[in-house]
Amino acid sequence: KAGVTQTPRYLIKTRGQQVTLSCSPISGHRSVSWYQQTPGQGLQFLFEYFSETQRNKGNFPGRFSGRQFSNSRSEMNVSTLELGDSALYLCASSELQGRRNTEAFFGQGTRLTVV
Amino acid sequence: GDSVTQMEGPVTLSEEAFLTINCTYTATGYPSLFWYVQYPGEGLQLLLKATKADDKGSNKGFEATYRKETTSFHLEKGSVQVSDSAVYFCALSDRRSQGNLIFGKGTKLSVKP
Repeated sequence: KAGVTQTPRYLIKTRGQQVTLSCSPISGHRSVSWYQQTPGQGLQFLFEYFSETQRNKGNFPGRFSGRQFSNSRSEMNVSTLELGDSALYLCASSELQGRRNTEAFFGQGTRLTVV
Repeated sequence: GDSVTQMEGPVTLSEEAFLTINCTYTATGYPSLFWYVQYPGEGLQLLLKATKADDKGSNKGFEATYRKETTSFHLEKGSVQVSDSAVYFCALSDRRSQGNLIFGKGTKLSVKP
């Protein structure tokens, strides 16, 4: 079974630009979560999608958005990039058992550098 | 709100030494607990998990026991190897948080030959 795939692995963008990151979950997993990892703040939850609906959202500004498609693939978008958005963005997929998520499996991440 | 606290690193050990990384949590419900490991340049890999009190998770020689009375989930390994050098994250999730894993700050482990 293929793992979680994130593309691209590396990105360099200029302040003010926007960026779209992609995540393909493990086959059969319908929940996709996104996290931002920085040295200062650690791992912070961005949002979670399940069956094309955002179920949960972290404390990030509206410049961060996401969506999920009918095949469970997900994208996240960051508009008007700031230097502080430089981070490793991680995607995780899981399934639901009842109302609880099973263990999350992570992709290798997309390293975004804003210059 | 829910939170996870783990010991600050970095931790440096010699090969074959005993490892303990402390993790305590605060949660209002009955969370599931996890240890994830991150190797340089990689994403997170699930190391082990426990879903209820007194459960012991184990994998690759690592163990952790879910202790509800002390709200702890300490990671242990009897004999570390150089290949165990990585950053270790303790995390929790519960029904309220849904797909949101709450992570500790991470503990960097370096094992010297």
